[in-house]
Amino acid sequence: GQSLEQPSEVTAVEGAIVQINCTYQTSGFYGLSWYQQHDGGAPTFLSYNGLDGLEETGRFSSFLSRSDSYGYLLLQELQMKDSASYFCAVDGGSQGNLIFGKGTKLSVKP
Amino acid sequence: GAVVSQHPSRVICKSGTSVKIECRSLDFQATTMFWYRQFPKQSLMLMATSNEGSKATYEQGVEKDKFLINHASLTLSTLTVTSAHPEDSSFYICSALKRGGLSDTQYFGPGTRLTVL
Repeated sequence: GQSLEQPSEVTAVEGAIVQINCTYQTSGFYGLSWYQQHDGGAPTFLSYNGLDGLEETGRFSSFLSRSDSYGYLLLQELQMKDSASYFCAVDGGSQGNLIFGKGTKLSVKP
Repeated sequence: GAVVSQHPSRVICKSGTSVKIECRSLDFQATTMFWYRQFPKQSLMLMATSNEGSKATYEQGVEKDKFLINHASLTLSTLTVTSAHPEDSSFYICSALKRGGLSDTQYFGPGTRLTVL
């Protein structure tokens, strides 16, 4: 079967750093994406890792280790507006379809 | 960036009626679009892959005769929920695939919240 595992909930305070891990087991793998979704909204694209290593985009960074089937999203200098659900998703095939994890609900406290 | 629109954003209908949802890529052409369904507090579940000019590919367990998909042009895909029932009430989200040199990225529409009474 295909599965992605990520923590269901994470709580942190403003200004802190938080890391959301994602391990995956899929039949195909072309890359790992991260999406942010606020309550009632649609997912918005955050980052993509097709190769091993770290990708940095402002306060957000994402890491991939294909040999470990593992990746993480790192959020720095947390702000209240970062409170949302974060999904990792595997690009599993040539059609570009995504397989989503169950999501991690991040709560940022003052 | 890339913009994907979805219409309507919210619809309430009676049981047994059909509802059409449109998904448009506004600033790029998308030969491939995807339709997802998301129940409260759950992840996105892929329903089908919509390819321009050919039949959609449905995921296991998704009834193709109930969820009709038409990818009429490179910027428009429609999902029609036929004979909707209360259990079809959900958040339906489309995405359009923007192909790039190094990687392809899915851009999501804002979603359509369907409530079937």
